[in-house]
Amino acid sequence: EAQVTQNPRYLITVTGKKLTVTCSQNMNHEYMSWYRQDPGLGLRQIYYSMNVEVTDKGDVPEGYKVSRKEKRNFPLILESPSPNQTSLYFCASSLEGMNTEAFFGQGTRLTVV
Amino acid sequence: QQPVQSPQAVILREGEDAVINCSSSKALYSVHWYRQKHGEAPVFLMILLKGGEQKGHEKISASFNEKKQQSSLYLTASQLSYSGTYFCGTVSGGSNYKLTFGKGTLLTVNP
Repeated sequence: EAQVTQNPRYLITVTGKKLTVTCSQNMNHEYMSWYRQDPGLGLRQIYYSMNVEVTDKGDVPEGYKVSRKEKRNFPLILESPSPNQTSLYFCASSLEGMNTEAFFGQGTRLTVV
Repeated sequence: QQPVQSPQAVILREGEDAVINCSSSKALYSVHWYRQKHGEAPVFLMILLKGGEQKGHEKISASFNEKKQQSSLYLTASQLSYSGTYFCGTVSGGSNYKLTFGKGTLLTVNP
């Protein structure tokens, strides 16, 4: 089954404790991206990757890091989480760029206390 | 800069029609539409590309006015399953990889 898998689905952590949210897709898609969703603000893009070893900032990249060492994986790293990073996070992938349908993971609800 | 969606919310009775609008201040390369049900991931509805090409589900219709940088999503003969939040996403000319979403339109369809 074609899918985008995020882990974990739920995470509660403390301020300053480094964490990684994993994202993996099995569709051989070139393009992957991370979004955060906050009430009333819609989906805001954090980072995106056009292919292996090629990444770029989205609209809200501060406080986040990403890497794309393999085509299928695109982890989101929070080196020192803060409470304002409490949010619902979605990973998405598409075949090529933004001219094709994006498939979203099921989301990761992160709470930073 | 996020595209602007209108209305912010709409309530329908089953069988009624609705239009959701999306506008941008930038020249657009494409417009995307997604629907998200509560607690779930967004699901693809349609892409409208500059030049007139459309990709998406047959039962969904939308328009893209390139000159005005506007798009509209048309929901006809609404069903209960249409309820959810609808997001438009825009790709501006010059950046083929950056998709910027609006804040969403909450659609509620009642029996």
